[in-house]
Amino acid sequence: QVQLQESGPGLVKPSETLSLTCTVSGVSISDHYWSWIRQPPGKGLEWVGYISNSGNTNYNPSLRRRVTISRDLSKSQFSLRLNSVTAADTAEYFCARVPGRWELHFDSWGQGSRVTVSS
Amino acid sequence: QSALTQPPSASGSPGQSVTISCTGTSSDVGGYKYVSWYQKHPGKAPKLMIYEVNKRPSGVPDRFSGSKSGNTASLTVSGLQAEDEADYYCSSYADSNNYAWVFGGGTKVTVL
Repeated sequence: QVQLQESGPGLVKPSETLSLTCTVSGVSISDHYWSWIRQPPGKGLEWVGYISNSGNTNYNPSLRRRVTISRDLSKSQFSLRLNSVTAADTAEYFCARVPGRWELHFDSWGQGSRVTVSS
Repeated sequence: QSALTQPPSASGSPGQSVTISCTGTSSDVGGYKYVSWYQKHPGKAPKLMIYEVNKRPSGVPDRFSGSKSGNTASLTVSGLQAEDEADYYCSSYADSNNYAWVFGGGTKVTVL
């Protein structure tokens, strides 16, 4: 059974870089696609970006200039970096699995990592 | 890539049905079968309830059903139960050139 667990700092200063890692167990990360999704306080879900089973990436156009998603196959992890953060980036960040090329939904989710941007 | 449009709230009494709409464009909801619905309780991770418009993952009660007509998808919860009170989000695949998704703003379902 696939399990995902986010980890990273809960507090980031404005203008600095937010970094989160999602550790995957139960499946190989090279067999599926993976995404980051966030939810600002009191607001809805927002898709941040994805990384494919072969390492290709794509990002939400509103975040594209600041975001990078990468992976470490040896650690069964994929990561999110968001540069030049502001208070608007305060959110709960979820990692999720996209089963595959023809199964384009999010079927497994991590529990979420709450990140606050504040000095 | 704009957010899909959902009503902010919906409600029903136990045993009744509630239907939530999700309106997009021909570039997302209307263009693909990859519409999905997620249930989210406060402090919990979202849970997949419907995928590919009308398919239910294993373990999701058949009280939950989905449909689509044109650029609008719908989620119906029949036989409402207290535990169905939650936020519901629709999502659609949204890019023919690269992989991208879009979510709706969410609908708070209240069981009266």
